[in-house]
Amino acid sequence: AQSVTQPDIHITVSEGASLELRCNYSYGATPYLFWYVQSPGQGLQLLLKYFSGDTLVQGIKGFEAEFKRSQSSFNLRKPSVHWSDAAEYFCAVGRNTDKLIFGTGTRLQVFP
Amino acid sequence: DAGVTQSPTHLIKTRGQQVTLRCSPKSGHDTVSWYQQALGQGPQFIFQYYEEEERQRGNFPDRFSGHQFPNYSSELNVNALLLGDSALYLCASSLGLATDTQYFGPGTRLTVL
Repeated sequence: AQSVTQPDIHITVSEGASLELRCNYSYGATPYLFWYVQSPGQGLQLLLKYFSGDTLVQGIKGFEAEFKRSQSSFNLRKPSVHWSDAAEYFCAVGRNTDKLIFGTGTRLQVFP
Repeated sequence: DAGVTQSPTHLIKTRGQQVTLRCSPKSGHDTVSWYQQALGQGPQFIFQYYEEEERQRGNFPDRFSGHQFPNYSSELNVNALLLGDSALYLCASSLGLATDTQYFGPGTRLTVL
């Protein structure tokens, strides 16, 4: 079955601390992987995406993610979190952007 | 350059009623997908429209239907509303099928009482 698991429902970090959000997937074919961010009451904004090539991808707002095929993971990282990063983060998988399968999200809270 | 727009922003209906949600894709885009995001959940794919036809469909009942117009805008219709249909409905647009980039709108918050 195709699925995305985000094990951490809620993460709290201090401003300036590093961040890693976990994402594991189950997908039959080689997947396209995405990370989206959603601020309260807003739609989804694409942070980064991976299709092929270098397994470390850079995104907007200083985020990066690493694809590890052997672990079926695509974890999102940021070396220093800002208060404005507080939001809900979603990992998604698909053949392309059609019919994406999303995880249940991780809510990030940032303390000053 | 306008992004994806959706209307209305919020909507309150009662059980059994019908609702229509609207989406205008980003300028230049011709493909529209709809997602349902229940509270505390990730978005779930409803269906996708391209060239005025439904191209793909997720696991949603026939009460959910859609339409795409010649100007690429789209409507999502839900009949016989249930309490469980309360959610944020997101529209996403892209250029063509099987792309690597799509843009999401801000969503329509539907509350069914």
